[in-house]
Amino acid sequence: DIQMTQSPSTLSASVGDRVTITCRASQSISSWLAWYQQKPGKAPKLLIYKASSLESGVPSRFSGSGSGTEFTLTISSLQPDDFATYYCQQYNSFGGFTFGPGTKVDIK
Amino acid sequence: QVQLVQSGAEVKKPGASVKVSCKASGYTFTGYYMHWVRQAPGQGLEWMGWINPNSGGTNYAQKFQGRVTMTRDTSISTAYMELSRLRSDDTAVYYCARVAEVVVVTSPFDYWGQGTLVTVSS
Repeated sequence: DIQMTQSPSTLSASVGDRVTITCRASQSISSWLAWYQQKPGKAPKLLIYKASSLESGVPSRFSGSGSGTEFTLTISSLQPDDFATYYCQQYNSFGGFTFGPGTKVDIK
Repeated sequence: QVQLVQSGAEVKKPGASVKVSCKASGYTFTGYYMHWVRQAPGQGLEWMGWINPNSGGTNYAQKFQGRVTMTRDTSISTAYMELSRLRSDDTAVYYCARVAEVVVVTSPFDYWGQGTLVTVSS
């Protein structure tokens, strides 16, 4: 199975900050990577798919990049609604759809 | 609008089984693969497997093979996930999630159910 890692595990930031989260795959997944946002007590929400495509309705301050084994999610200017936990997910493998361990973005 | 509505919370004893339902509406149920994902308290997301609602074909994560069964009833647009031989570490919120692309299994998840808390306790 493909393993996913994320860094950092926790990130403290202020409103207006530029935030970057990194996700790495244990083997190449081409661009078959998604990013989700999850708030406490809620289901995850799809933000980015195919590594860099913005899901409909998601603010343009969110962007994704990367391919192969290294990917990043960037929030260009952090807003109060963005404090949440972010997960990457690979969906390359027909057998598995592994999630990263998550990155919690909290208020500095 | 697309909706996935799951069954209510369950409390089970160790060794028992639980069956969670996920009723879909607002789209053609048989056109989109359905996945199941769980999240233990304070932990991350764990993929469990998928079902093709059209054919009934399934694929389970190795960790759950032998204990999980995913089925569907197309007449009522509902998917089911049954987990057997429950242990305390199966305590989690269980989500159903639909893929974004029609007839494609390799696709991210664009709609999620509200989650079902399953508590395993003696």
